[in-house]
Parts: sequence; C-alpha cells; structure tokens
Amino acid sequence: DAKTTQPNSMESNEEEPVHLPCNHSTISGTDYIHWYRQLPSQGPEYVIHGLTSNVNNRMASLAIAEDRKSSTLILHRATLRDAAVYYCILRTTGRRALTFGSGTRLQVQP
Amino acid sequence: KAGVTQTPRYLIKTRGQQVTLSCSPISGHRSVSWYQQTPGQGLQFLFEYFSETQRNKGNFPGRFSGRQFSNSRSEMNVSTLELGDSALYLCASSSDPAETQYFGPGTRLLVL
Repeated sequence: DAKTTQPNSMESNEEEPVHLPCNHSTISGTDYIHWYRQLPSQGPEYVIHGLTSNVNNRMASLAIAEDRKSSTLILHRATLRDAAVYYCILRTTGRRALTFGSGTRLQVQP
Repeated sequence: KAGVTQTPRYLIKTRGQQVTLSCSPISGHRSVSWYQQTPGQGLQFLFEYFSETQRNKGNFPGRFSGRQFSNSRSEMNVSTLELGDSALYLCASSSDPAETQYFGPGTRLLVL
C-alpha cells in the first residue's frame, strides 16, 4: 500500500479554520484519498474522500493537489467536538481493507 | 438507521481463555470488517466478510478467526488469549466491500 505522512499533532482555536495536511508521494492512479477521524473512546468516523477533484460535504472539504502527491482536509470552523485523531488513508480501487497510519491528533482550544 | 453495534463493550479475560465478540452491521450492509487497535501498533486490519465468506485477511495468527451469518451479523473469536491481545476490537460495515466503511464503538478487551 502507498504510504501517507501526516504531522503527529496540530492545535487550533475554536471557530477558526483548520488545515490538516497529508503527503502521499507514491500515490497511484487508482488510489482514492480517504479521511477518517476518531474521537476519544469511539470508533473511527468517515469524513470525506476524493480521487482528483476537490470535494465538499457537510463535515469538511478535501483539497487535492494537482499532482495528487498531497492533500489537505479543511475544517471550516473548528469546534471543541472536532478534537480527534485524523487519519489520511489511501484506498486502491477494489481493495477493501483500510490501512491506517498514526494520524494527526488535533487539539481545539476554546 | 441504527449504526453498527458491538457487544460486549468491555471484557476482561485471563491468559489461555478464549473470547467471542459480536458485531451487528447497519441494516442492509453485507460487508463486515474487523480491526484491532493497540497503542503500539495502531489500527490493524484483521479480516473481512461478505455474504458469509471471508474475502480478505490481515497478518494475524490463526488464533484469530471469524464468521458471518446469513443475516450479516458477524463474530470474531480469539483462542488461547495472550497478554498482547489486549486491545480495542473494532467492527466496520459497508454495503459493499469497496464502499465507505462505518465503524462501531468497539469492544475493549483486557487480558490479565
């Protein structure tokens, strides 16, 4: 599986935007970029995914670089509830299992 | 729609015992995957079931096994428990193996 690199931790202030980066320089053409997050004492929660174009949903936006070697998860207005570990995962078409890295622990300050 | 449910939520066992964990997927979902989460190894894929058949298996010893029933509910079993099996065991369901996976809250297993 292609590998992703994320910062270990990030801090943000409440109600400010947060940009969570992910590097995936060995991504292949069939790899989708998925983001999950895990709140304390809960299972991972799907956030968003994309292939080439930027994607938006009610939770977040995903910005994908033109060469697809990096992506950024954008939380438009962080809340205390967004404090979690965020995982950037590459999922090859047809591959079922998710390969989790160590993720980015996001702390949100009031 | 109810989410993925896992039972029990917490479990304490001793070394050498065996344990069975249960997972009920989201209604209509036929694919169930299991993951193990430990502080040292993070989240690791155990196996995946679709239509009562194991379709994919991670790199775990044969002590870890599972099955899926005709109603898509799944169980995983760990025999001859070791201290290192202490972990959060997570179940995820999806409508199809290639689709988005939705996780349950997990079963926290402590082996003494």
